[in-house]
Amino acid sequence: GESVGLHLPTLSVQEGDNSIINCAYSNSASDYFIWYKQESGKGPQFIIDIRSNMDKRQGQRVTVLLNKTVKHLSLQIAATQPGDSAVYFCAENRGRGANSKLTFGKGITLSVRP
Amino acid sequence: DVKVTQSSRYLVKRTGEKVFLECVQDMDHENMFWYRQDPGLGLRLIYFSYDVKMKEKGDIPEGYSVSREKKERFSLILESASTNQTSMYLCASSLVYTNEQFFGPGTRLTVL
Repeated sequence: GESVGLHLPTLSVQEGDNSIINCAYSNSASDYFIWYKQESGKGPQFIIDIRSNMDKRQGQRVTVLLNKTVKHLSLQIAATQPGDSAVYFCAENRGRGANSKLTFGKGITLSVRP
Repeated sequence: DVKVTQSSRYLVKRTGEKVFLECVQDMDHENMFWYRQDPGLGLRLIYFSYDVKMKEKGDIPEGYSVSREKKERFSLILESASTNQTSMYLCASSLVYTNEQFFGPGTRLTVL
């Protein structure tokens, strides 16, 4: 069945280093993917998205890579800062138009060491 | 600034009680969603609505119902709360033809 999964539950990085968070998905028909960040006590917040006709998209300090061949998605955070500490979720879009729904991964905790 | 608000941040109820969780968005979004979030399970979709008075079951609708009488408001109802419904409940909204969902801060419900 469909699933969106993250490879590791936690990731610890040194402040200033680059972070890479990985995600696998199983629905090859998914046409859109999003990364969300959830800080403690808050709802998830949009970070960056990518459509299936793209391989890479860059934002401010973040890059999302999509490999459709192996159904893999990654989020790269450059020069990781303490404020990046949070739980990160990947999500894939199911359905079309009014019936679009997101399927979320289980989440990975990013911990930034000072 | 876009906003999704939820009526309570914390709620404690007893088994068998009827529970209402309210969500309001001020962005004129057509789509609204209710999720529950549990450790190790991520976000799971309970119900969603793409228009007033319309509703669709998500992945885990059992034990829940919803109401959408106005475009800006989407309510989640637990007809008879049970301890396994203790969880964080998140509401979200989006425009009908975009996929980016905006989330509220969540309601942490404890059922004793």
